[in-house]
Amino acid sequence: GQNIDQPTEMTATEGAIVQINCTYQTSGFNGLFWYQQHAGEAPTFLSYNVLDGLEEKGRFSSFLSRSKGYSYLLLKELQMKDSASYLCAVRRTNSGYALNFGKGTSLLVTP
Amino acid sequence: SAVISQKPSRDICQRGTSLTIQCQVDSQVTMMFWYRQQPGQSLTLIATANQGSEATYESGFVIDKFPISRPNLTFSTLTVSNMSPEDSSIYLCSVQQRGTQYFGPGTRLLVL
Repeated sequence: GQNIDQPTEMTATEGAIVQINCTYQTSGFNGLFWYQQHAGEAPTFLSYNVLDGLEEKGRFSSFLSRSKGYSYLLLKELQMKDSASYLCAVRRTNSGYALNFGKGTSLLVTP
Repeated sequence: SAVISQKPSRDICQRGTSLTIQCQVDSQVTMMFWYRQQPGQSLTLIATANQGSEATYESGFVIDKFPISRPNLTFSTLTVSNMSPEDSSIYLCSVQQRGTQYFGPGTRLLVL
């Protein structure tokens, strides 16, 4: 099975940097995804890591350490519109390419 | 990325009835999935919709309750059968394309 943990809530200030951590325990690993979900909307793909290291995409970066079962999503130059839920998901090696999701981190960006 | 549409976008249903949700993709995809997101919760996989064969269900979900069709590579349906208030949720269709999974807009279901 899989156990995916991330903080429930975080608050940060506009213009600042925030790091959202995700730890996982899995019997099979085939990549880690981060999604952004605004209230009432579907999840939007942000990043995908399958190898160790940092993937940078504009203001968003994601890091993976497979040996530690650890990932983080880094958001720079925070904007008010970044207030959303951020979901960490692990792709399983069995059952095709389905994802197991963490409970999500609700990020509030304040002025 | 794939463009995914779902119908209906929302519905209010009476307990004991059934609702069929449609998912249409603008390109052929091999992998399609159905997820559920209950109020305030994260996403839970219901099943993998396999083209030309029976869906693969996750633990806790059964075909009698959530029958799924996948007649071709661009379309799938999920039926929520004999509904109860506990089935009130957002149901999301998802597809795998070039290593990434994308989600449809979701169907908001309220069962009274």
